[in-house]
Amino acid sequence: DQQVKQNSPSLSVQEGRISILNCDYTNSMFDYFLWYKKYPAEGPTFLISISSIKDKNEDGRFTVFLNKSAKHLSLHIVPSQPGDSAVYFCAASAAQGGSEKLVFGKGTKLTVNP
Amino acid sequence: EPEVTQTPSHQVTQMGQEVILRCVPISNHLYFYWYRQILGQKVEFLVSFYNNEISEKSEIFDDQFSVERPDGSNFTLKIRSTKLEDSAMYFCASSEWAGGPYEQYFGPGTRLTVT
Repeated sequence: DQQVKQNSPSLSVQEGRISILNCDYTNSMFDYFLWYKKYPAEGPTFLISISSIKDKNEDGRFTVFLNKSAKHLSLHIVPSQPGDSAVYFCAASAAQGGSEKLVFGKGTKLTVNP
Repeated sequence: EPEVTQTPSHQVTQMGQEVILRCVPISNHLYFYWYRQILGQKVEFLVSFYNNEISEKSEIFDDQFSVERPDGSNFTLKIRSTKLEDSAMYFCASSEWAGGPYEQYFGPGTRLTVT
């Protein structure tokens, strides 16, 4: 079941540069998208979300872009910091359709090098 | 900042034994969830719970699993007869509302090892 796909298992960027993490989805019923960050031995930490009625949401250094026609979203981190090194999960839900469950991608491991 | 807590952090059990994983959701949250992540795989939804009832469950959540809110603060996941393939990280989550764009906040997880 690959409803949410993160095709890059890893990404390495230099401190201060932009990190771009990508996510694709196949289920057109998804209407709410979230990004979580996860450190080893910890639970996923909520970062930022976007509703399908928007195409962009920004929170500090984090911006999520949604392209509904392409069923694609991306997370931009600018500027990247070493503390951002973690696994980033994209998740989606069909919230308005009455399903509360989050469907996760496999994650992308981001390494920010000093 | 309020957070979801889970106990124990690590549980080792023998195959066939019953285990109970415990969670304390964020106090003003009304919706509760269990997810699991088998090593190297995706985080998978198990069950959601609202108003003392299961509101949604996945095909993974079969008869060996049950959830309960025994008091005003705890939310538990019981596995009646554990199997080797139940070994995973189990995450509890909660959200203030559901049926709309509301974030789920996750606990640190319980690592369950079935031997």
